[in-house]
Amino acid sequence: DAGVTQSPTHLIKTRGQHVTLRCSPISGHKSVSWYQQVLGQGPQFIFQYYEKEERGRGNFPDRFSARQFPNYSSELNVNALLLGDSALYLCASSGEGNQPQHFGDGTRLSIL
Amino acid sequence: KQEVTQIPAALSVPEGENLVLNCSFTDSAIYNLQWFRQDPGKGLTSLLLIQSSQREQTSGRLNASLDKSSGRSTLYIAASQPGDSATYLCAVPYSSASKIIFGSGTRLSIRP
Repeated sequence: DAGVTQSPTHLIKTRGQHVTLRCSPISGHKSVSWYQQVLGQGPQFIFQYYEKEERGRGNFPDRFSARQFPNYSSELNVNALLLGDSALYLCASSGEGNQPQHFGDGTRLSIL
Repeated sequence: KQEVTQIPAALSVPEGENLVLNCSFTDSAIYNLQWFRQDPGKGLTSLLLIQSSQREQTSGRLNASLDKSSGRSTLYIAASQPGDSATYLCAVPYSSASKIIFGSGTRLSIRP
């Protein structure tokens, strides 16, 4: 079975632009979460979606938004990019209940 | 507010040694605790998940323990190998099973 897949793997943008990152969860997983990992730190929670509804939001500005589609795939959108948005963006999916999260390989976003 | 701390930040040991990585958390009301491995530039690989009702979990040369009352977990790696070199992260869910709080990780290097 395929794991969590994210696209693109790498992305270079300039300040002020916007970006859309994509995630496909493991088949059968209905929950998708997004994390931002700055170099040298642990991942920081951004959003969680379950059954197309937002279930949790971390301490990120409104420039960050996300959505989940009927097939449970998800997009993370970031507007008005800042240099500080440069990071590895990770997507994780999980099954029902208290199940472990499975992570994709992430999208490396660089802001010039 | 849940905070997760990992000590040491970096560790270098010769091949073959047994070693212990430490993780502490401030709020003992956790659903579970999960240990991850992260290779440079890659996503997270789940190693072990300990449910709140469990004391330890084992997988091959890895053993993770959980002491909720003291807010501590350890990851024991037996007979370390160069292939174990990676960053090890511990994480606990907070306020919901899918909002995970991560430590900053321990960067482990095994010298041949």
